[in-house]
Amino acid sequence: GAVVSQHPSWVICKSGTSVKIECRSLDFQATTMFWYRQFPKQSLMLMATSNEGSKATYEQGVEKDKFLINHASLTLSTLTVTSAHPEDSSFYICSARDSIKAGESNEQFFGPGTRLTVL
Amino acid sequence: AQSVSQHNHHVILSEAASLELGCNYSYGGTVNLFWYVQYPGQHLQLLLKYFSGDPLVKGIKGFEAEFIKSKFSFNLRKPSVQWSDTAEYFCAVSPTGGGNKLTFGTGTQLKVEL
Repeated sequence: GAVVSQHPSWVICKSGTSVKIECRSLDFQATTMFWYRQFPKQSLMLMATSNEGSKATYEQGVEKDKFLINHASLTLSTLTVTSAHPEDSSFYICSARDSIKAGESNEQFFGPGTRLTVL
Repeated sequence: AQSVSQHNHHVILSEAASLELGCNYSYGGTVNLFWYVQYPGQHLQLLLKYFSGDPLVKGIKGFEAEFIKSKFSFNLRKPSVQWSDTAEYFCAVSPTGGGNKLTFGTGTQLKVEL
């Protein structure tokens, strides 16, 4: 099956620093990836849609200058949390759609998530 | 914009009991519907999905869901749960042709006791 990985799985950083999270589709190509944020005991909230070779599309209320997204290849998207603060602490999850099978379904394959803690 | 509501936040069942988790969505157009499961410490996995055709959809591990268009519902069912079904279950909706953006419900934490 389609596998999506994330790195790192967890990270602790000091307030004011930037953190980069990688999302990779391991056995398929993904022109579209999605970034979600999940607070404890809450649902996933879509932050942005990452499109290969173009700018990401951010959801309302998500600061694009704070959460920088780069989708430079068909298998890699990165989310950089710039000048992180304690309120950015959360669980960040990415997902990817198989570009070849896009016409058959819009199923998304999810990564294992990255736990970010900002001190 | 679409929204999804899951009525049961926490469900506790004994093994072999039947399960039904409610999911209702709000959207004016046609949608694709999903149920995802998140086992403790693991990533989200697709249980089943509905795109078109037979409104009764069968998924993995004995789960099924029925799309009732008139009620905007997509309830998840399993006739006999197992301890290994302990997990969090999320209902999600995506408008057809709407850029494939998923909107998730708040999730239902299921605990199956031996």
